[in-house]
Amino acid sequence: NAGVMQNPRHLVRRRGQEARLRCSPMKGHSHVYWYRQLPEEGLKFMVYLQKENIIDESGMPKERFSAEFPKEGPSILRIQQVVRGDSAAYFCASSPPLAGAASYEQYFGPGTRLTVT
Amino acid sequence: GESVGLHLPTLSVQEGDNSIINCAYSNSASDYFIWYKQESGKGPQFIIDIRSNMDKRQGQRVTVLLNKTVKHLSLQIAATQPGDSAVYFCAESRDTGRRALTFGSGTRLQVQP
Repeated sequence: NAGVMQNPRHLVRRRGQEARLRCSPMKGHSHVYWYRQLPEEGLKFMVYLQKENIIDESGMPKERFSAEFPKEGPSILRIQQVVRGDSAAYFCASSPPLAGAASYEQYFGPGTRLTVT
Repeated sequence: GESVGLHLPTLSVQEGDNSIINCAYSNSASDYFIWYKQESGKGPQFIIDIRSNMDKRQGQRVTVLLNKTVKHLSLQIAATQPGDSAVYFCAESRDTGRRALTFGSGTRLQVQP
């Protein structure tokens, strides 16, 4: 059973460009989470999605950031007009369903390291 | 020894010794706790979890202790090995349906051969 997959692993963008980060959850997992990590810090929650639904986006910046988890295909975290402060590692996690909700267990992908020049 | 400021707290131990990594949490409503291990350049790796109705749980070479009275969590690693060197994070969640994890700031474990 393949783990959570993220691509690209490294992404370099110039200021003002768009960044698209992709996440494929583990097989059978229908819940996806995105987290951001700055160097020497813990992960910070951004958004929680189920297929075709955003459940909680309380950690997402109000502008330039968006996320989706379509019926088919990977979850996408999109950052428009990137700025240097967006440079960070972005991790995706997935969890299996449990009694109609998400299990507590979250399994993380290897992350995408975004560098904005 | 420990370092402060912008750097992660560091715990240095000798190979073969036991390690204890501590974590304080702030929300008394949290009902699920996890320890993750993160090696350089990799994503967090699940180690062990515990629910709030327990105070101790054991895995292979690891034990998690939960003290709800003082809101404290610890991870004990027995017979620490060089491969245990990594940053360790505690994380908490609560049963609101939200399921988002709130991570602590992390502790770097260095195992000296």
